[in-house]
Amino acid sequence: GAVVSQHPSWVICKSGTSVKIECRSLDFQATTMFWYRQFPKQSLMLMATSNEGSKATYEQGVEKDKFLINHASLTLSTLTVTSAHPEDSSFYICSARDQGGNEKLFFGSGTQLSVL
Amino acid sequence: QKEVEQDPGPLSVPEGAIVSLNCTYSNSAFQYFMWYRQYSRKGPELLMYTYSSGNKEDGRFTAQVDKSSKYISLFIRDSQPSDSATYLCAMTSQSGGYQKVTFGTGTKLQVIP
Repeated sequence: GAVVSQHPSWVICKSGTSVKIECRSLDFQATTMFWYRQFPKQSLMLMATSNEGSKATYEQGVEKDKFLINHASLTLSTLTVTSAHPEDSSFYICSARDQGGNEKLFFGSGTQLSVL
Repeated sequence: QKEVEQDPGPLSVPEGAIVSLNCTYSNSAFQYFMWYRQYSRKGPELLMYTYSSGNKEDGRFTAQVDKSSKYISLFIRDSQPSDSATYLCAMTSQSGGYQKVTFGTGTKLQVIP
């Protein structure tokens, strides 16, 4: 299947710093990528839909100034958690849709963010 | 009522058993149906993908879709300890010009050696 690379896999940072997470589709182009957050023992919570060349669409309750999304190319989307606080500690996962593959959705390996 | 309902489990079975995982849904506009496997602290891995009623088989896995009953299943034959994971069902529907994906809450499966 298609490969989505997410980096870094684990981040520990001090409160108040900003953290950038990258999501790349390695062998297909993705005009749309998705960012999720997952708390322990819970399902995926969609945060925002990232569209190449345009502004991201955020789900209700997600602060767009807190979670900055940039989708500058057909293979790369980034999520920046600005001024991170301990309550932002979570598992963040990206996904990308293979539009040449019947709309299949592939996920990155996830990023565990721990804010001290 | 949630659009997609999935029993959270946990489900414990002995090695070699046949496992049945199920989801029901209420939105008749769902077009594509997927099953994902997620190990702890990893991203979900696509296992099966279907878009029509009926069965689709891939190795030990069989995905079943019944659109008339709004019910999908994933069967795992000869279950192995390595199958221990959380299984998520997912469905897509057209929404505002793009495909919206809705996930079930996931079923945690434990296969006991």
